[in-house]
Amino acid sequence: GAGVSQSPRYKVAKRGQDVALRCDPISGHVSLFWYQQALGQGPEFLTYFQNEAQLDKSGLPSDRFFAERPEGSVSTLKIQRTQQEDSAVYLCASSLAVGRYYEQYFGPGTRLTVT
Amino acid sequence: DAKTTQPPSMDCAEGRAANLPCNHSTISGNEYVYWYRQIHSQGPQYIIHGLKNNETNEMASLIITEDRKSSTLILPHATLRDTAVYYCIVRVGHSGGGADGLTFGKGTHLIIQP
Repeated sequence: GAGVSQSPRYKVAKRGQDVALRCDPISGHVSLFWYQQALGQGPEFLTYFQNEAQLDKSGLPSDRFFAERPEGSVSTLKIQRTQQEDSAVYLCASSLAVGRYYEQYFGPGTRLTVT
Repeated sequence: DAKTTQPPSMDCAEGRAANLPCNHSTISGNEYVYWYRQIHSQGPQYIIHGLKNNETNEMASLIITEDRKSSTLILPHATLRDTAVYYCIVRVGHSGGGADGLTFGKGTHLIIQP
């Protein structure tokens, strides 16, 4: 079946622009996660949704970052007034249910470059 | 979640077994050991997890020491496609509610040589 998809795969933004990154999780998956991966580093947790509820946003680096999942399926990560330090790969993952027993399925990521 | 320590890189010959070590000396009794890998330009992929018994699936085997302070991921017959960064993650099996986000370190870059 279809895996997690993300769009766009690559995004170049000028400093100060707003960007929106989309994640289509596996159909029926309850949990959805966003991660940020800087070059040469492991992914870092940003935020977590259980259906449409955002239960944890402790990893969002600033109030310029905003995520939503209004109908409990597709999610959008929005970054306002992008800065150079926002350049990274943004990964989305979904899992079937709630709980750490359930493996997370990752999308290919969106590579954001802020110039 | 407990911290883990992995070597930054390892080489292995194609066709041989790749043994990737992970130290997790502060692991608690209710924490599991998970392994994910990330092939270049792809998202991470789940491999295997275990609590205290050794585990095997179609991808790999996981050997956890009796004191649970370290573990080894074994890829029995490595191929070039196994070249990736391998992450060892220790976490509580049951979530306490809220985030179940994974805490990745820097992992081990495994290079399979032809």
